[in-house]
Amino acid sequence: GQQLNQSPQSMFIQEGEDVSMNCTSSSIFNTWLWYKQDPGEGPVLLIALYKAGELTSNGRLTAQFGITRKDSFLNISASIPSDVGIYFCAGGLYTGANSKLTFGKGITLSVRP
Amino acid sequence: DAGVIQSPRHEVTEMGQEVTLRCKPISGHDYLFWYRQTMMRGLELLIYFNNNVPIDDSGMPEDRFSAKMPNASFSTLKIQPSEPRDSAVYFCASSLVAVIYNEQFFGPGTRLTVL
Repeated sequence: GQQLNQSPQSMFIQEGEDVSMNCTSSSIFNTWLWYKQDPGEGPVLLIALYKAGELTSNGRLTAQFGITRKDSFLNISASIPSDVGIYFCAGGLYTGANSKLTFGKGITLSVRP
Repeated sequence: DAGVIQSPRHEVTEMGQEVTLRCKPISGHDYLFWYRQTMMRGLELLIYFNNNVPIDDSGMPEDRFSAKMPNASFSTLKIQPSEPRDSAVYFCASSLVAVIYNEQFFGPGTRLTVL
């Protein structure tokens, strides 16, 4: 089946630093989404991308849909302590009524004050 | 507007007992998804419904798991009998009819512990 690769599993940065996360796949997707999960909560949608090459920003977050449709990246600028959490990428491949997402394993981000 | 609602938030049960998890999707959403999250396997899709009809249940681990959606505002995931390896966080998510836009919105999850 389809798999998304996110690495490394954990990232440690200093408050104020920028951080970039990649997500790659062996197969193409029509949409890419980035979610963040806080402890004890469900994943929350951060950014959704619908077109190859698309670059979208949401505050300090910027994400891009790779030209090959097999990858995406998420960039967080000027990190703050509340950016701590698990970041998941998800690829969507819609065909007719099919609306499934495939999720990566996630990257745990730690921000040192 | 209320998001996806799940109950209970925590469930502790003993091996062999029946467990029922509940979900109320966002009003107007036509798709409902059940996921399981563990440290080892991450987020796994168990089953999803479109307009209350199960579309893909290939992720359901075995016959001990069953899911129903009797109407547009309610779904259940049942495990009978439960086993310790079923311990995980179970999420429900919903989305609108999704030709292109398949953004899924997650509930807070149910943390299940089977002793």
